[in-house]
Parts: sequence; structure tokens; C-alpha cells
Amino acid sequence: QVQLQESGPGLVKPSETLSLTCTVSGGSISSYYWSWIRQPPGKGLEWIGYIYYSGSTNYNPSLKSRVTISVDTSKNQFSLKLSSVTAADTAVYYCARVRYIAAAGTWWFDPWGQGTLVTVSS
Amino acid sequence: SYELTQPPSVSVSPGQTARITCSADALPKQYAYWYQQKPGQAPVLVIYKDSERPSGIPERFSGSSSGTTVTLTISGVQAEDEADYYCQSADSSGTYPLFGGGTKLTVL
Repeated sequence: QVQLQESGPGLVKPSETLSLTCTVSGGSISSYYWSWIRQPPGKGLEWIGYIYYSGSTNYNPSLKSRVTISVDTSKNQFSLKLSSVTAADTAVYYCARVRYIAAAGTWWFDPWGQGTLVTVSS
Repeated sequence: SYELTQPPSVSVSPGQTARITCSADALPKQYAYWYQQKPGQAPVLVIYKDSERPSGIPERFSGSSSGTTVTLTISGVQAEDEADYYCQSADSSGTYPLFGGGTKLTVL
């Protein structure tokens, strides 16, 4: 059974770059899409972007200018970088496996990691 | 901007049926998904492709679609079903995933 675990700093200073890694265990990162999703405290879910194991990506247009998602198949990991952060980027960040049916143009997320809280503050 | 619209809250008594809706213009053309999120936990998929139930999800969870509205139905609600529920589909042009604002289900 695939499990995902987020890791990275819990505190980032304003204007700096947030960096997180998701480690996939119990299965290979190959042949799937992988995603980052965030949830500000007390608010709803926001999709950030996803990456295919081969490296192709798709980002939320509202974050696209600041987001980079990369994959390291040798380590069974994928990563998120979000630049020029502000307090509005404070959130629980989740990684998740994407189930994608190209013919139907549809995606869903299962399973999810437990999430990691990142606070942006000086 | 395009949104998936959910009611902020729904309340039901134990044993009753809870219905949570999600509305958007493009839903007739796109599949919808439902996630359950309990406090302090990650979301869990409870319905996929409008009405399919993942293994391990109780049969009391079901999904349906009619026009621009999809509905998550929980029959015989139990106290453990109290949670936030999020619908998910895609943006109006089908180019990226999109979540609804979430509905807090309270079991009275």
C-alpha cells in the first residue's frame, strides 16, 4: 500500500523560498502523476500542481509564476519549491498521488500524505 | 472566476440521511470526486467518478450527478461521519483540478 510522507522546514521567512519533499514508500513513483495541495489554517483545499514521473508538469495558474515541482525517481521522491513567499502561503501542505484518466480529462487524489504545516513569518 | 459551490454547513441527526451538494456549470461534462477530512487529518477519498466508492469506504456513502449538481449522500449517518467534505472536479476548460469550498457536516 502506497504511503506518502512530507518533509521540510516548518518555518520560512517572507520573500524566501519554501522547499518541501514528499517520499513515496510501498510502491514505485514511476507510471503515476504526483501532486501538491495546500490548506491554509481554517480554510479549504487549493491544488498547487502535479508532476508525471517523467518530469512533465501542470501548475495552478494562480501560483504558476512561483512554483516548481520536480521528481527524483532514484529516491522515489518529488519536491515542491514556492518562491517569494508571504504570510498568505502559510498552510498545511499535502502531497498526494494523482489518478489521471487522459481520455476523460479527469484527475483525483488518492492517497494523501499526512501533511506538514509551513508557517511564513520573520 | 469559475468555482465549485458547496453549502458551508449541513446538520443531521444520527441515523438520518445527509445530502451535500456541489454545483458548477461544467459538471455535466466532468467527473466529480468527494473527500472526507476529519480534524487534524488528511483528506480521504470517499467517492470517485461521480458515484464509485473506493474499497474500504462504507456502503452508506454514495454519489450521484444531475445536470450542474453532484450530490454526496450519507445514509444512516453516524457520529463518526462528522467531518468536512470537499468536492473536486476541474476548471471550466478541464485543464486543471479544482476543489469546492468544503461543507462541514455536523451530526447533532
